[in-house]
Amino acid sequence: NAGVTQTPKFRILKIGQSMTLQCTQDMNHNYMYWYRQDPGMGLKLIYYSVGAGITDKGEVPNGYNVSRSTTEDFPLRLELAAPSQTSVYFCASSPWDSGNHEQFFGPGTRLTVL
Amino acid sequence: LAKTTQPISMDSYEGQEVNITCSHNNIATNDYITWYQQFPSQGPRFIIQGYKTKVTNEVASLFIPADRKSSTLSLPRVSLSDTAVYYCLVGVRTGGGNKLTFGTGTQLKVEL
Repeated sequence: NAGVTQTPKFRILKIGQSMTLQCTQDMNHNYMYWYRQDPGMGLKLIYYSVGAGITDKGEVPNGYNVSRSTTEDFPLRLELAAPSQTSVYFCASSPWDSGNHEQFFGPGTRLTVL
Repeated sequence: LAKTTQPISMDSYEGQEVNITCSHNNIATNDYITWYQQFPSQGPRFIIQGYKTKVTNEVASLFIPADRKSSTLSLPRVSLSDTAVYYCLVGVRTGGGNKLTFGTGTQLKVEL
C-alpha cells in the first residue's frame, strides 16, 4: 500500500492564481481530512469528509473548497490565492471505526504565495 | 471544540523517561485522545490513543485521569531519534462528522 499520497510536493503561486492540491489514499478509509500547518505552529483543520459525496468545514475553511467524488480522492481547491495561504498542507485519512481513531498523514505540499 | 494546551518544549537525555502532559479542560464525553509525533518536513505519525485510565503499546503509554481533563504521554528510555514535536489531539465523531483539534505541540529535544 502506498498509503496517503499528495501532489505536488512544492508549488509557488502568484497572488490571485488558483490551484488544486491532490490527495489519494489506497486504504479504503471513509474519513479524509485537509490540514494546514504554518511555520512553527500546530495543524489546523480546513475541511474533512466522512465519505464520498459528504464534506464539511473545519476550523479554517475560508479561501478553500473540496470535493469527494470517490473514496480514494479528496482534492483541495484554492481559489484566488493570497499570501496568507502560504503554508504546508497535509492530507490525512482514517478508518474511524471500531474505536480506531488513527489518522494516516501524507508527506505534505509546501505552498508559497507571492 | 475541545481546546488543548501543552508545554512548548522539553529537554531530556538518552535513556530517561519523558512525560508530556496535555490539558483539555472542556473535553466532551465522547472525545478520544490521540498523540502524534512529527519530524521536520514530514506529516504527523500516530503514537497512541485512549479514552480513560491507561493504555500501553510498544512505544509509549498514555495516562488519563478519571476526570479526563488532562492526559500524559510517557516515552520510556528516549533516544536521540525521539527528538521531534509531539501533539495531542482531542476529537469526537459527532453527527456523522469529526471535529478535531490539535494542541500547540511540544518540542522534545533529546541529548546524549
